[in-house]
Amino acid sequence: KQEVTQIPAALSVPEGENLVLNCSFTDSAIYNLQWFRQDPGKGLTSLLLIQSSQREQTSGRLNASLDKSSGRSTLYIAASQPGDSATYLCAVGSDNYGQNFVFGPGTRLSVLP
Amino acid sequence: SQTIHQWPATLVQPVGSPLSLECTVEGTSNPNLYWYRQAAGRGLQLLFYSVGIGQISSEVPQNLSASRPQDRQFILSSKKLLLSDSGFYLCAWSVSGEIRRGYTFGSGTRLTVV
Repeated sequence: KQEVTQIPAALSVPEGENLVLNCSFTDSAIYNLQWFRQDPGKGLTSLLLIQSSQREQTSGRLNASLDKSSGRSTLYIAASQPGDSATYLCAVGSDNYGQNFVFGPGTRLSVLP
Repeated sequence: SQTIHQWPATLVQPVGSPLSLECTVEGTSNPNLYWYRQAAGRGLQLLFYSVGIGQISSEVPQNLSASRPQDRQFILSSKKLLLSDSGFYLCAWSVSGEIRRGYTFGSGTRLTVV
């Protein structure tokens, strides 16, 4: 059974810092991995989607990498801003039909002005 | 473009009352549909998923049920709410048979059972 963990659980950084959020999964036989952002009381916004054949994806200040063999993904945020404050979740898809899309518990990020 | 709508945004219901949450998707056909629950301080838990009209799979035995009366409509229901049903409910969709395209979530419903 796929298990997804995220470290750290919470992170507080000053504005302008570059930071890395970590996601680990136990079963490397995955279809894809998706990073989401969740603001308090809101739904999930998709940030980046990496297919199992890809090593990384980039969108603006965000870069997500995937190392299937080691069961890891990282989300790199460059030049963090207070508006980046949110909870970041990773989710791993283990089949092509979506029934086995497992979420990590999330990392709560606070960027201080 | 595809959009997903979920309502209501917030709901306060007494214990023992019924529940109906609705989710609709526009701009696509035959989507996979999902209901998730996010309890306070906990991760997302898959409750139900559907690959077609009238086809519902349950992941967790509970006080809730789901129905898909139309291709792009997914409803979460309960006949009698429990205190433990409180939480944040999220609907999501994905392209059928193409999870490589990822998930798209609705804005969620905050349910408080009192």
